[in-house]
Amino acid sequence: DAKTTQPPSMDCAEGRAANLPCNHSTISGNEYVYWYRQIHSQGPQYIIHGLKNNETNEMASLIITEDRKSSTLILPHATLRDTAVYYCIGLYNNNDMRFGAGTRLTVKP
Amino acid sequence: EAQVTQNPRYLITVTGKKLTVTCSQNMNHEYMSWYRQDPGLGLRQIYYSMNVEVTDKGDVPEGYKVSRKEKRNFPLILESPSPNQTSLYFCASSFELASYNEQFFGPGTRLTVL
Repeated sequence: DAKTTQPPSMDCAEGRAANLPCNHSTISGNEYVYWYRQIHSQGPQYIIHGLKNNETNEMASLIITEDRKSSTLILPHATLRDTAVYYCIGLYNNNDMRFGAGTRLTVKP
Repeated sequence: EAQVTQNPRYLITVTGKKLTVTCSQNMNHEYMSWYRQDPGLGLRQIYYSMNVEVTDKGDVPEGYKVSRKEKRNFPLILESPSPNQTSLYFCASSFELASYNEQFFGPGTRLTVL
């Protein structure tokens, strides 16, 4: 599975976009980039995933660079309930899931 | 509502007293797995199951057993719990093993072994 690097923490103002970066320079061509988040010891929650193209769903957008060495998760209008630890994971299959330290996002009023 | 449920949510027990943590999903998922989460170590996979009667070890299987007699249920069994198994446990499921299927996680079971 791809090793990922994320900043340990970020702050964001409520209502503004939160842009969470992830470096995955060792990702292989058949590994998906996944984002999950964990709110205060609850079960991790799936956000979005992609292979090559940018993706958008009701929760977030995922921007993957053309060389696939990095990606950015965008929460377009962050709310206080988006305060969580966000994990970026490179996956070949679900048995490869390795949650690192992630990025602790704090949304402030 | 599509969900993964775990019981109990909290458990305090003593060393050596057998316990079972149940996990059930209502999404007809083939793939199920168990993780433990410890401070500074992230989530580590204990066991997984690709379908009924098919189970295999994850990264940290020692001291745990599982069974998959029905598609919806995947209980985690601690035959003789020890204090180093004090942890936060998560059950997860997905449609199949493939990476294009997101995993759905249960709410967690916080286990303390005295």
